[in-house]
Parts: sequence; structure tokens; C-alpha cells
Amino acid sequence: EVRLVESGGGLVQPGGSLRLSCVASGFIFSNYWMHWVRQVPGKRPVWISRINSDGGITTYAESVRGRFTISRDNVKNTLYLQMNTLRPEDTAVYFCARDLRGGYIWDFWGQGTLVSASS
Amino acid sequence: SSEVTQDPAVSVALGQTVRMTCQGGGLRTYSPGWYQQKPGQAPVLVIYNKNKRPSGIPDRFSGSSSGNTSSLTITGARAEDEADYYCNSRDSSGTVVFGGGTRLTVL
Repeated sequence: EVRLVESGGGLVQPGGSLRLSCVASGFIFSNYWMHWVRQVPGKRPVWISRINSDGGITTYAESVRGRFTISRDNVKNTLYLQMNTLRPEDTAVYFCARDLRGGYIWDFWGQGTLVSASS
Repeated sequence: SSEVTQDPAVSVALGQTVRMTCQGGGLRTYSPGWYQQKPGQAPVLVIYNKNKRPSGIPDRFSGSSSGNTSSLTITGARAEDEADYYCNSRDSSGTVVFGGGTRLTVL
């Protein structure tokens, strides 16, 4: 069974940092591109970042470029999102998601972790 | 245009058929994914590549595309289909976009 389990969310002051983790199981993690997608409750999801299967290619949405860094550890089957200089508008539920086949379509999602950037 | 638009809400009587649409210029090139999302849960992919269903998705879910419009159809809607449905696609620059979502009510 494919499972993606996020952790690392929480309350942080604006300007602060958090690192999210997503532990994958039930599939060969190193074969897949992976993504982070965030969603403010009641609003549409928003794609924010992706990483290719070996970690050599990363892409970011304009809204997070230069502040967030996606990475992965294929030995630990774990995806990461380092979030720096957090802003109130970064407050959302953050999901990791598996790319179906490199086309920004996601066939499995984690349950999400809530990040709140507030003073 | 990078925008993807969806009707905000649709309703369907139990057992009847409902179609919801997703419109955007990028849909002429990029086939969308359709996701079902229930309150407090992660999205679930129900249709991709115009009319493919992931394993475990009932065959009452189907998709189609024509020009800049893609559609998700539920044939024989059930109470458990009540949810928000989002489509996502890309524009020519590669920007990933989601539609605003359609709230489906099963009466």
C-alpha cells in the first residue's frame, strides 16, 4: 500500500523557519518525481515545488522561490521542504504528493501537515 | 491564459448523472487531472489523461475533453460522491494551475 506521511508543521512567527518531512512507503521512492502542494482550508490547492527522482532537478512556484528548498533522501525514502523567511500568506496545509508520470498529475497524496505563520 | 475555471457548485439527485466542467486555454495542450476532496481529507485523483481512472476509482467516474474544455461525469451518483472536485492543468509556460473547484451536492 502506498503511503505518504508528512510531519514538521506547526506555529511559527513570521520570518521564521520550518522543515517539513514526508516519509514514503509501499513503492520504490527513488523512481518517482515528488511534489509539495499547499492548500488554505476552503480554497483551491496550489502547487509549490517539485523534485525529480534523483534530486538533481528542482522547480518552484514564484511565490516561494528563493525562500523554500525541496530535497530528498532516497535511502531514507523521505522528501523534505525547508521553509525559510515564512510569511503569514504561507499559512496552509502542506501536502506531499507523488507524480504520476512527470506531468504534474498526482496519484497519491499524504494527509497533510498544517503550517501557521503568525505572531 | 493560465486560468482554469470551474462552476462553483452543482447538484445531482441520487442515482442520476452529473457533469462538471473545467475550462482554460492550457487544456488544449495539457490533459487535466480531476481530484475529489472531502472535508478534512487530501485530494484523491479520480481521472487523468482525459479518461483514465486510477486503480480503485469506480467506473461511474469518466472524463472527456473538447477544445479548451474538459469534463468529469459521474453516472449514477452516490451519496459518498458529495465532495469538492478540482481540476488541474498547465499553461504554455509550464505554470501549474488548479481550478477554483466545484462543490457537488447529492440530493
